[in-house]
Amino acid sequence: KAGVTQTPRYLIKTRGQQVTLSCSPISGHRSVSWYQQTPGQGLQFLFEYFSETQRNKGNFPGRFSGRQFSNSRSEMNVSTLELGDSALYLCASRGTGQGARGADTQYFGPGTRLTVL
Amino acid sequence: AQSVAQPEDQVNVAEGNPLTVKCTYSVSGNPYLFWYVQYPNRGLQFLLKYITGDNLVKGSYGFEAEFNKSQTSFHLKKPSALVSDSALYFCAVRGPAILTGGGNKLTFGTGTQLKVEL
Repeated sequence: KAGVTQTPRYLIKTRGQQVTLSCSPISGHRSVSWYQQTPGQGLQFLFEYFSETQRNKGNFPGRFSGRQFSNSRSEMNVSTLELGDSALYLCASRGTGQGARGADTQYFGPGTRLTVL
Repeated sequence: AQSVAQPEDQVNVAEGNPLTVKCTYSVSGNPYLFWYVQYPNRGLQFLLKYITGDNLVKGSYGFEAEFNKSQTSFHLKKPSALVSDSALYFCAVRGPAILTGGGNKLTFGTGTQLKVEL
């Protein structure tokens, strides 16, 4: 099976702009989570979607939003970019219906490196 | 609230020697514990997990981890380190589904940089 894919891999934006990042989960996976990774804050949970519904949300301002489509692909959007939004944004997908052992593992994509100037 | 502590920012070990990367956790209920590895400019690769069962869990690339409930620890180990094991290692925890509403939010430690030298 192909792994989690994220596009674009690299992105440069300026303050005040908005950005949309895309994630395609592993085929058959219905859960997609997003994480932000920065040197200062480490890995932080943004949100999780399952069957087009947001299931969990981390402690991020409302400028961070996401959605999931019927084919399980997900997008996250950041509006009014700030310098502190520069980070590696990681998407992870999780299987379901595989029993207790398989369903709990999140598989991560390569990430999108966002630089805000 | 759930939390993970990785007390060592960096671990240095000689190739061929055993390695240990430490992790302690705090979570309500029975924990779901994971180890991931990250190579430069890459995403996280899943190594192994503990859900239930045997306290010693075996994973990818010869890694294993020991779950210790009384010490709330989940240390990563490998009997013989390779230079290619040099990378950033993350421990993560998730609480039981009944407490997370079925959600799968992972809380990560700050990471431990493993450096294996010849």
